[in-house]
Amino acid sequence: DAGVTQSPTHLIKTRGQQVTLRCSPKSGHDTVSWYQQALGQGPQFIFQYYEEEERQRGNFPDRFSGHQFPNYSSELNVNALLLGDSALYLCASRGSRDSFSGANVLTFGAGSRLTVL
Amino acid sequence: RKEVEQDPGPFNVPEGATVAFNCTYSNSASQSFFWYRQDCRKEPKLLMSVYSSGNEDGRFTAQLNRASQYISLLIRDSKLSDSATYLCVVNINYGGSQGNLIFGKGTKLSVKP
Repeated sequence: DAGVTQSPTHLIKTRGQQVTLRCSPKSGHDTVSWYQQALGQGPQFIFQYYEEEERQRGNFPDRFSGHQFPNYSSELNVNALLLGDSALYLCASRGSRDSFSGANVLTFGAGSRLTVL
Repeated sequence: RKEVEQDPGPFNVPEGATVAFNCTYSNSASQSFFWYRQDCRKEPKLLMSVYSSGNEDGRFTAQLNRASQYISLLIRDSKLSDSATYLCVVNINYGGSQGNLIFGKGTKLSVKP
């Protein structure tokens, strides 16, 4: 099982450009969440996709958009890049349900490291 | 006030030491609690869930105090391989759905020989 895979692993863009990041969830997982992790910070929730629809969204501007495909894979798009968008972008798919709390544990991919110059 | 706050760290300890991480959360509607571990330039990985009654996994013990909105993680007999950033995580379930995970900033641990 390949787990959660993300591409590209690293990329460099300039201000004002647009970027698309891709994620394939773990086999059998149907929900994908995206997180942004700036240097020295914890991951911050961007949005979550289920059944090809955005189900929840964090405090991110409309420049951040996404898509989920019928095979559950997902894309994160960021338009009009700013220097502050430089971060590690993590994709997570819903994993096994915690037997006690009932919460679904997330499995993260290795991330896409975006540098905006 | 941040939703999840952790000790700023870093913690530098010798092998064999006992280390305690503290975390507080602001939203009393938080339902699930976790500790994740993140190695340098890697993705976060679940270390353990935190149960109301407290739970232990080998050298790791997690505690939850809902009244104080406080979570802790204790590592006994620390190993060099425990060096990582430890992230306190809470989850708020909205209307039965899982909601998203809210991460603390993380506390970096360095275990020295």
